[in-house]
Amino acid sequence: GQQLNQSPQSMFIQEGEDVSMNCTSSSIFNTWLWYKQDPGEGPVLLIALYKAGELTSNGRLTAQFGITRKDSFLNISASIPSDVGIYFCAGSRLLNFNKFYFGSGTKLNVKP
Amino acid sequence: DARVTQTPRHKVTEMGQEVTMRCQPILGHNTVFWYRQTMMQGLELLAYFRNRAPLDDSGMPKDRFSAEMPDATLATLKIQPSEPRDSAVYFCASGLGGEAPTNEKLFFGSGTQLSVL
Repeated sequence: GQQLNQSPQSMFIQEGEDVSMNCTSSSIFNTWLWYKQDPGEGPVLLIALYKAGELTSNGRLTAQFGITRKDSFLNISASIPSDVGIYFCAGSRLLNFNKFYFGSGTKLNVKP
Repeated sequence: DARVTQTPRHKVTEMGQEVTMRCQPILGHNTVFWYRQTMMQGLELLAYFRNRAPLDDSGMPKDRFSAEMPDATLATLKIQPSEPRDSAVYFCASGLGGEAPTNEKLFFGSGTQLSVL
């Protein structure tokens, strides 16, 4: 099946620092999604990307759809303690009707 | 707020028992997915439905797992008999699949944490 390589696997940062994580695939995707999962909860959709090169923000979060269509990036600026959690990328190919392949997640730890 | 509702939130059972997990997708959504999450495997797709018809259940152990959508507001995932290795968090997700690319997104429920002793 499809494999998404998400990195880094985990991050330990200081409050106020910026964070970058990315997802790469060997296949072309037409949709990229970024989720955040808090302990004991389901993943919550943060940002959806639909066009190569697209750059979309949601507050302090910014995500980009790579121009090769094989990768995507998520940046968090000025991190705060509530940013702690696991961030997942997910990719979908056209005509698969919401069938998404998920990365293994990036665990973010923020020190106050 | 529209949301995917899953019940129960937690289930502890003994090996060999039947387990049924339920999901109410967001009203109007026509695709429903079941995922299993473990530390080792991450999010694994078990089965998914479009307009209540099963499209792909290749990720599901057929001998003990079954997934159904009795109607548009209910999806079920059953394990019979359950085994300790089935212990995981099971998520249901729904979406509005269709021709419009911007419909390509999934919304998750809070999950059922299953422990099989």
